[in-house]
Amino acid sequence: GAVVSQHPSRVICKSGTSVKIECRSLDFQATTMFWYRQFPKQSLMLMATSNEGSKATYEQGVEKDKFLINHASLTLSTLTVTSAHPEDSSFYICSARPTGTGYNEKLFFGSGTQLSVL
Amino acid sequence: SQQGEEDPQALSIQEGENATMNCSYKTSINNLQWYRQNSGRGLVHLILIRSNEREKHSGRLRVTLDTSKKSSSLLITASRAADTASYFCATGGNNRLAFGKGNQVVVIP
Repeated sequence: GAVVSQHPSRVICKSGTSVKIECRSLDFQATTMFWYRQFPKQSLMLMATSNEGSKATYEQGVEKDKFLINHASLTLSTLTVTSAHPEDSSFYICSARPTGTGYNEKLFFGSGTQLSVL
Repeated sequence: SQQGEEDPQALSIQEGENATMNCSYKTSINNLQWYRQNSGRGLVHLILIRSNEREKHSGRLRVTLDTSKKSSSLLITASRAADTASYFCATGGNNRLAFGKGNQVVVIP
C-alpha cells in the first residue's frame, strides 16, 4: 500500500526558532499534499494545500509567512513553522493524494509531528 | 462547503461488542469515507462508500449511507482492544476532503 513518511515525529524547540517538517510519499507520486493541524481530541483543521511546482493554497486565517510550504518534487512537501511560539504547539499531519486520483478519493497520511514550543 | 459531522460520541464498550457511530453531512457528495486515527498517529483509510451505494462491508466493518438523510453509519462488529481509536468520516468538496469531529472509541479488554 501507499506509504507516506513524515518526520520528525516529535520536536521540541525554543520560542523564536524555526522548525521544518517533511512529508514524503515513498512509493507513489503526489502532485497534491495537504497539511493539517490537530488539537487534542479534535478534528483535523486543514491549513493549506501544497501543489508541486506552484504556490500553496492557504486556508482562511492561516498565515502563509508563518507556515511556509514548499513542494519541490512529486514526492516531497515541507512545512516550516517560522519563528515558532508556544501557541504554535500542536500536532501537525500531512496527507498525500496520488497523482491522477480525484479530489475526493482516499488520502494517505503521514504519522504526524508533535511540535512543542517552549 | 461539505463537511462530515459525527455525532459527538465517546464510546466505551467491552471487547466482543459492536460499536456504531454516525456521521451527517450537509451537501451532495460523490462519496463518503471513514478513517481511523490511533492516539498520536496519522489517519488510516478504512472504507469508501460511493453515493450510489447503500451499504458496504470490509472485514468487520459495515458502512451504510443514506443520501436522502445525508447520513452514514460505521459499525464495527466483534470489537477488539486494537479497535480503540478515533474514527472520522470525510466528504469531498472544494477540491479537498472535510473531516468531521470524530468519535472516540475505547474497547475494554
